[in-house]
Amino acid sequence: GESVGLHLPTLSVQEGDNSIINCAYSNSASDYFIWYKQESGKGPQFIIDIRSNMDKRQGQRVTVLLNKTVKHLSLQIAATQPGDSAVYFCAENVQGAQKLVFGQGTRLTINP
Amino acid sequence: DTAVSQTPKYLVTQMGNDKSIKCEQNLGHDTMYWYKQDSKKFLKIMFSYNNKELIINETVPNRFSPKSPDKAHLNLHINSLELGDSAVYFCASSLSYRGDEKLFFGSGTQLSVL
Repeated sequence: GESVGLHLPTLSVQEGDNSIINCAYSNSASDYFIWYKQESGKGPQFIIDIRSNMDKRQGQRVTVLLNKTVKHLSLQIAATQPGDSAVYFCAENVQGAQKLVFGQGTRLTINP
Repeated sequence: DTAVSQTPKYLVTQMGNDKSIKCEQNLGHDTMYWYKQDSKKFLKIMFSYNNKELIINETVPNRFSPKSPDKAHLNLHINSLELGDSAVYFCASSLSYRGDEKLFFGSGTQLSVL
């Protein structure tokens, strides 16, 4: 069935370090993956996305890696800043499903 | 200009009441959604509409009735509110209903049923 899970519900990193948030998915027919950031009291904000024909995509301070062999997705945030504190969600679209299915989220906290 | 705006931001009401949440998007998108986020932050799709036509109804109780008067608006009416309806409801929009493109979310409506 469709499901998106996370290895760690919480992640605490030092300011300036790199953060890696992981996500596992179960459906090999998933063709699109996306990461969102949700700050307290706000709606989810788009960070970066990747299609299944790619392994890696980079944005500003963020990189998404897709390993289709083990059905694993990760979000890397370089030089983590206090403003990166939020809950991060991965989501997937199964081909033809016409919807994004979200994982439970990882809370990222930044230590000064 | 807010791309996806929903009102109200907070809604506190008694069990058994009927309430509505409104959503509007000015992005020119064809597709709009309602998602429900529970207390554990889990986001689950409820409905999607494409150009006023229902695309997805994710086995939501029929006490929830979405209405899309035009493609820029998607409202959610809830009858006979129950305690379990307490959650944050997010409206979102996307270019199309394909599902393989990013969603733009509103800021959420926190519904508390007492």
